[in-house]
Amino acid sequence: DAGVIQSPRHEVTEMGQEVTLRCKPISGHNSLFWYRQTMMRGLELLIYFNNNVPIDDSGMPEDRFSAKMPNASFSTLKIQPSEPRDSAVYFCASSLGFGSGGTNTGELFFGEGSRLTVL
Amino acid sequence: DAKTTQPPSMDCAEGRAANLPCNHSTISGNEYVYWYRQIHSQGPQYIIHGLKNNETNEMASLIITEDRKSSTLILPHATLRDTAVYYCISTGGGNKLTFGTGTQLKVEL
Repeated sequence: DAGVIQSPRHEVTEMGQEVTLRCKPISGHNSLFWYRQTMMRGLELLIYFNNNVPIDDSGMPEDRFSAKMPNASFSTLKIQPSEPRDSAVYFCASSLGFGSGGTNTGELFFGEGSRLTVL
Repeated sequence: DAKTTQPPSMDCAEGRAANLPCNHSTISGNEYVYWYRQIHSQGPQYIIHGLKNNETNEMASLIITEDRKSSTLILPHATLRDTAVYYCISTGGGNKLTFGTGTQLKVEL
């Protein structure tokens, strides 16, 4: 199993540019999560999906951030326009969620993260 | 979700047991206790979880007090590779996990 795959691993961009982060969850998982990690704020849950539907986006900082999950095997997190304070490591995670029909252990599988630097 | 409190840091000698405490005094009856760890610059990794009973797996043991107000994660024979930030999380909200600041465990020779 390849695990959760995120791209790009590193992104350096200038303020005002659009940034798109991508995530491929583990096959068969039906819940997907986007987290952001900074030294100041730690790990923050931005949004999560269940069966491709956004369930809770209360952690999305502002309208500049948007997330989509067009199908079960792909999700994007977009920042437009980007600002220096968006610099962080963005993690995607997946799990067997609600309605999976299987045993839900609550175990999240995290990707290796996308390190974003906005200059 | 109940708030958890953990010491900010702990040290442990390699080969000894590492006992990481967590206080969750406001935990409700349907909330589980989860433990994750994050090795530097990697994504968090699931360790173990429990509701009432003590649990053990190949990574660790979880001891939950009878009143469920606190728990201890035990790494029976810590190695240098166990140096990481350990997060204790209590939640009844399915897979929605809110990470706190955790405990930085340093395993030393």
